[in-house]
Amino acid sequence: QLVLTQSPSASASLGASVTLTCTLSSGHSMYAIAWHQQRPGKGPRHLMMLKRDGSHNKGDGIPDRFSGSSSGAERYLTISSLQLEDEADYYCQTWGTDIRVFGGGTKLTVL
Amino acid sequence: EVQLVESGGGLVQPGGSLRLSCAVSGFTFNTYWMTWVRQAPGKGLEWVASINLDGSEKHYVDSVKGRFTVSRDNAENSLFLQMISLRVADTAVYYCARETPLRAGYAGGAFDIWGQGTMVTVSS
Repeated sequence: QLVLTQSPSASASLGASVTLTCTLSSGHSMYAIAWHQQRPGKGPRHLMMLKRDGSHNKGDGIPDRFSGSSSGAERYLTISSLQLEDEADYYCQTWGTDIRVFGGGTKLTVL
Repeated sequence: EVQLVESGGGLVQPGGSLRLSCAVSGFTFNTYWMTWVRQAPGKGLEWVASINLDGSEKHYVDSVKGRFTVSRDNAENSLFLQMISLRVADTAVYYCARETPLRAGYAGGAFDIWGQGTMVTVSS
């Protein structure tokens, strides 16, 4: 079964860096994923598509502070030089031929 | 400008029906899979349904199979979600989204363009 696992919460200080993790279920480590940001009270915003080799294609207007990487079944989103506007929920998403899946989301707090 | 605009949400009683629409502009609609995603109050994102380029292939989350029908009108650049036998648990903001595949011609992909959402409330 295709499942994505995310930690419910994370926090980091203003100006610092933070890495969020999304873990693919057993047998699915080769899957690409997408990262999405959802600020409080807003709709989701696509950040990037991230492949198993760590290469990623960012959405229009996504700052260079956002980057992605991969290792085995783990997919990472790193945000550097944290700003207050980065405080949001972050979701990973993947897909199969007849299914689409979201992780449970990570709520990022900027201290 | 690429834009997805949902409409059709509202308050409906349990067992009732509703039809959501998503008007698309700014890209060639009939070359993309399209998707509906929902978010219950205070909860995470949940995939609902996806439809292929010509509407001949559709996929649904188990909880809506037999009750929801996704469709599209490529001539009108519009996506639809017909919902019947609505339940309180269907209460959510419903978003339409465009799917961009890893490779052209493949099913599934990243939801790279999102609408602003339309609220559906199922309550007596």
